[in-house]
Amino acid sequence: DQQVKQNSPSLSVQEGRISILNCDYTNSMFDYFLWYKKYPAEGPTFLISISSIKDKNEDGRFTVFLNKSAKHLSLHIVPSQPGDSAVYFCAASASYGQNFVFGPGTRLSVLP
Amino acid sequence: EAGVVQSPRYKIIEKKQPVAFWCNPISGHNTLYWYLQNLGQGPELLIRYENEEAVDDSQLPKDRFSAERLKGVDSTLKIQPAELGDSAVYLCASSKGQGDSGANVLTFGAGSRLTVL
Repeated sequence: DQQVKQNSPSLSVQEGRISILNCDYTNSMFDYFLWYKKYPAEGPTFLISISSIKDKNEDGRFTVFLNKSAKHLSLHIVPSQPGDSAVYFCAASASYGQNFVFGPGTRLSVLP
Repeated sequence: EAGVVQSPRYKIIEKKQPVAFWCNPISGHNTLYWYLQNLGQGPELLIRYENEEAVDDSQLPKDRFSAERLKGVDSTLKIQPAELGDSAVYLCASSKGQGDSGANVLTFGAGSRLTVL
């Protein structure tokens, strides 16, 4: 049973537009969430985090929104750039960062 | 600051052969993780160390997998004997652990890609 779900395996967006990547979780004990970006043949790279005491966290072009009641979070990238093309993973943890459970990832393609 | 270093990057072996992967975490990072990533899936935790102690190895297939973290720094993950289904990327990550803010971020290495023939 997947505790962290990313239901869109892939997403294509035009350069300059907004990319929205979604993540759902089932475990109500999760209180800390991370987003990672992964290029081919490289390890995942940390992008942005959010804890359950917040509903929004922003870092440059990246914003993460958390809806605890819906057990849903989303990553917004504005504006999208071709270099953002990668696989994005959502990860969740209970107790502020013990073991992280990762979603299956969403492949983002930003078209020039 | 050097990142998490893993070796080898690629390994091809025949089934039933042994294989070992090595990880050097970021200096000062007390927590070390080994994750398994199959094609098209997210990383799955195999084992987590706090310093030298394996605090969570519940997902490690102990009949064929073993891991150690000597002196709380470098770590080795071993598979003996390897099976066809072990073909995957083995990721090592490290973190400072929970800080004052409670926040924790994993820094990953580039991974070791294993192909079992």
